[in-house]
Amino acid sequence: SQQGEEDPQALSIQEGENATMNCSYKTSINNLQWYRQNSGRGLVHLILIRSNEREKHSGRLRVTLDTSKKSSSLLITASRAADTASYFCATDPDRDNYGQNFVFGPGTRLSVLP
Amino acid sequence: KAGVTQTPRYLIKTRGQQVTLSCSPISGHRSVSWYQQTPGQGLQFLFEYFSETQRNKGNFPGRFSGRQFSNSRSEMNVSTLELGDSALYLCASSLAQANEQFFGPGTRLTVL
Repeated sequence: SQQGEEDPQALSIQEGENATMNCSYKTSINNLQWYRQNSGRGLVHLILIRSNEREKHSGRLRVTLDTSKKSSSLLITASRAADTASYFCATDPDRDNYGQNFVFGPGTRLSVLP
Repeated sequence: KAGVTQTPRYLIKTRGQQVTLSCSPISGHRSVSWYQQTPGQGLQFLFEYFSETQRNKGNFPGRFSGRQFSNSRSEMNVSTLELGDSALYLCASSLAQANEQFFGPGTRLTVL
């Protein structure tokens, strides 16, 4: 089963509203990253949060990490139509235990309606 | 600084053929990872190379292979193509492990 699982699978909001997406994972991690993908193109890195960090901000993005619950959330404030995309969380499992590279969840499809 | 480039961008092959995809990482990046993205399975890790050595490998059959050259450029090869190999193949580079990955635009492979 996948390491990262985003929730919800799809989200529709109006422009100006906030969007919150959640990610849960199963194993211990070194870091967790969020990416955006527009319509079958390459992924764009949004933000990286390390396992010893609890919250990080970048512009309109706010990411939290709760390692005790093995979960993370991505908040996009004041959403715009251009934010319409799929959002993925990716975990970098602790290699000592699992020896694997980044594991992506299935993604959340965000639609921001004008 | 130029981003990650992948060639070709689109490819159509028939079952049984083999294909080679190329990835040029960002200058200075030594780690290159490959991913397969399909609607059904999502993004799946294929393998990662660092300094010409394969460091990690995902759960894919031996038909999928790769290599990295001394200039960090990487290629992946798929032999005996199957219909299920149709996918977007993404390459990503990073400075080192546990760093952010920068993705290329992908190669869309269609197997007929």
